[in-house]
Amino acid sequence: DIQMTQSPSTLSASVGDRVTITCRASQSIVSWLAWYQQKPGKAPKLLIYDASSLESGVPSRFSGSGSGTEFTLSITSLQPDDFATYYCQQYHYYYSFGQGTKLEIK
Amino acid sequence: QVHLQESGPGLVKPSETLSLTCTVSGFSISSGYYWGWIRQPPGKGLEWIENIDHTGSSYYNPSLRSRVTVSVDTSTNQFSLKMTSVTAADTAVYYCGRVRRGSTDPFDYWGQGTLVIVTS
Repeated sequence: DIQMTQSPSTLSASVGDRVTITCRASQSIVSWLAWYQQKPGKAPKLLIYDASSLESGVPSRFSGSGSGTEFTLSITSLQPDDFATYYCQQYHYYYSFGQGTKLEIK
Repeated sequence: QVHLQESGPGLVKPSETLSLTCTVSGFSISSGYYWGWIRQPPGKGLEWIENIDHTGSSYYNPSLRSRVTVSVDTSTNQFSLKMTSVTAADTAVYYCGRVRRGSTDPFDYWGQGTLVIVTS
């Protein structure tokens, strides 16, 4: 199994801030990594695939980077709608998800 | 627009079989995509269960494979999940989704999810 570890588990920030979330894989997943946003009571929403490709309709303030075992999701100029939980997902070997990062308002 | 909707009993007794159906609308399930099930225990993270295409070709989470059966019905544009011998640990919101490309890629469309509680 490929284990995915996200950090931090919780992140406090203000509207307008820039934030970064990190996801580490237990072995190389090349660039087979996605990021999702989930709000309470809702299904996850795909933001980024192939580590750095922006899904259609997702604002350009979201960006992803990384390869191998270390990846980041960055959000510039945080908007009120961005406060949610974020998950990374590897799809190099089946699937596994990180434990999530809750982005909360400071 | 692709729309997915999960349906099935919200309560299941321990040791019994959980059965869920995902109805796809606005898109043909036979269009060459894979479709999958993902679950999320209350307050916890996401766990992938399986993917299937319209031919019945499927990929399973190895940790759940012995208890899971999936099927597809192209005539009704639905796919289904059966999980046997459920326990309280199977209590979760169950989502169905469409695989973006290939057989194991991210999910680009999701249903709203359905909560299944395992309780006697």
